[in-house]
Amino acid sequence: ETGVTQTPRHLVMGMTNKKSLKCEQHLGHNAMYWYKQSAKKPLELMFVYNFKEQTENNSVPSRFSPECPNSSHLFLHLHTLQPEDSALYLCASSQERVGPYGYTFGSGTRLTVV
Amino acid sequence: GQSLEQPSEVTAVEGAIVQINCTYQTSGFYGLSWYQQHDGGAPTFLSYNALDGLEETGRFSSFLSRSDSYGYLLLQELQMKDSASYFCAVRDRGGATNKLIFGTGTLLAVQP
Repeated sequence: ETGVTQTPRHLVMGMTNKKSLKCEQHLGHNAMYWYKQSAKKPLELMFVYNFKEQTENNSVPSRFSPECPNSSHLFLHLHTLQPEDSALYLCASSQERVGPYGYTFGSGTRLTVV
Repeated sequence: GQSLEQPSEVTAVEGAIVQINCTYQTSGFYGLSWYQQHDGGAPTFLSYNALDGLEETGRFSSFLSRSDSYGYLLLQELQMKDSASYFCAVRDRGGATNKLIFGTGTLLAVQP
């Protein structure tokens, strides 16, 4: 365990389904992130939250909807996804300034859209 | 645009030394980080360089040259468990947003 817990680890969903990914950290970090990791591509930043406020939406389609109810929890709500959205979705947390401390990542949710 | 270039694959033998290079082109720069990711696992933080020069942490060292927009990760005394993907990442100076931009990753295969 890294200190950042993501559930579920695997998810298969149809294009008409609605599902949510959950991320939880109890490291005292105040910034949380969603990244998408596809094969042969760099990790793509999706959303950034600082102190529960969204500070970055990296041109993500509206079928992905983030929610950050507090500094310890982050959700990614999914609806009407496309097969190309199949990927590993990683959550990370950090102190407000990265400095030498870096991000702590969760193990990710492997999403397959059928 | 913003990009970080790394070799896609590197192969080395146990006990050897390997260097993974990273060149970057980003709108802002607050430092270069390195992450390791084993297959199916979470990326884990290895090192961070904010200033030019070499940082050493055990068997791993990381180097940065800001004037060349270049850095590398040096792994010494390679072990089988070092087989993983390695990513360089730049902290972008984008306003108040604290975000990392990642490279495409280098798959390191350590052979007996």
